[in-house]
Amino acid sequence: EAGVVQSPRYKIIEKKQPVAFWCNPISGHNTLYWYRQNLGQGPELLIRYENEEAVDDSQLPKDRFSAERLKGVDSTLKIQPAELGDSAVYLCASSPRGVRGDTEAFFGQGTRLTVV
Amino acid sequence: QKEVEQDPGPLSVPEGAIVSLNCTYSNSAFQYFMWYRQYSRKGPELLMYTYSSGNKEDGRFTAQVDKSSKYISLFIRDSQPSDSATYLCAMLAPSGGYQKVTFGTGTKLQVIP
Repeated sequence: EAGVVQSPRYKIIEKKQPVAFWCNPISGHNTLYWYRQNLGQGPELLIRYENEEAVDDSQLPKDRFSAERLKGVDSTLKIQPAELGDSAVYLCASSPRGVRGDTEAFFGQGTRLTVV
Repeated sequence: QKEVEQDPGPLSVPEGAIVSLNCTYSNSAFQYFMWYRQYSRKGPELLMYTYSSGNKEDGRFTAQVDKSSKYISLFIRDSQPSDSATYLCAMLAPSGGYQKVTFGTGTKLQVIP
C-alpha cells in the first residue's frame, strides 16, 4: 500500500514569490493534516481536514496561506507571497476515521522549503 | 512554558545500551500519548501510543506514562545504530469535537557502533 505522497520534495524560491505543495493521502483516510516543522522543532499543525471540510485552521496564517482539499482526497497548500520566515519542512499526514484515528497518523516525507 | 517539554539532546550512547527518552507536560487534558521516530529528511513514523498510565511494550521499545507526574518515557533496549534518529513525543487532547495533537521538540539520539 502506498503511503502519503508529497511533492515536490524540495523547493527554493525568492521571497514574495508564490509556492504550492501537493499531498496525496493514504487511500481511504478521511482525515488530512498539514504541519510545518521548523529546524530543531516538532511539527505544528496548520490545518486539519475531515473529508473536504477544514475543521481546524486556527493556526493557519490566513493572510498568506491557503489550502484546499477538493473531493476529499488530494490537498494543496499554498503560500503567497512567501517570506523568509516560511522556510521550513511542510508535512502532510493522514489518518483513518475512528476514535483513535488521531493516534495513527501517517506522515509523508515532507517538502523542504527554502525562501531566499 | 510550553505544554510539552522534551530535552533536545543530542543523546549519544554505545550500541547495546538502554536508552531512556522523556517528556513532561502541563496540560491535564492530554489523553493519548504517542512516540514518533523521525530519520533525517524523512517524515515522522509512529512507534507506539498509549492511553492510560502504565507500561506498554513492543519488541525492544517500552512506553511508560505517569499521569500523576505528567511524565512519559520511551525506553529502547539493546539499542542499535539503526535506532539513530530524532524521537518526538506527542500528546492528544480534546478540542472542538476532535483531538488536537501537540508535539515535543524531539530528542536526537545517536547510537555508536
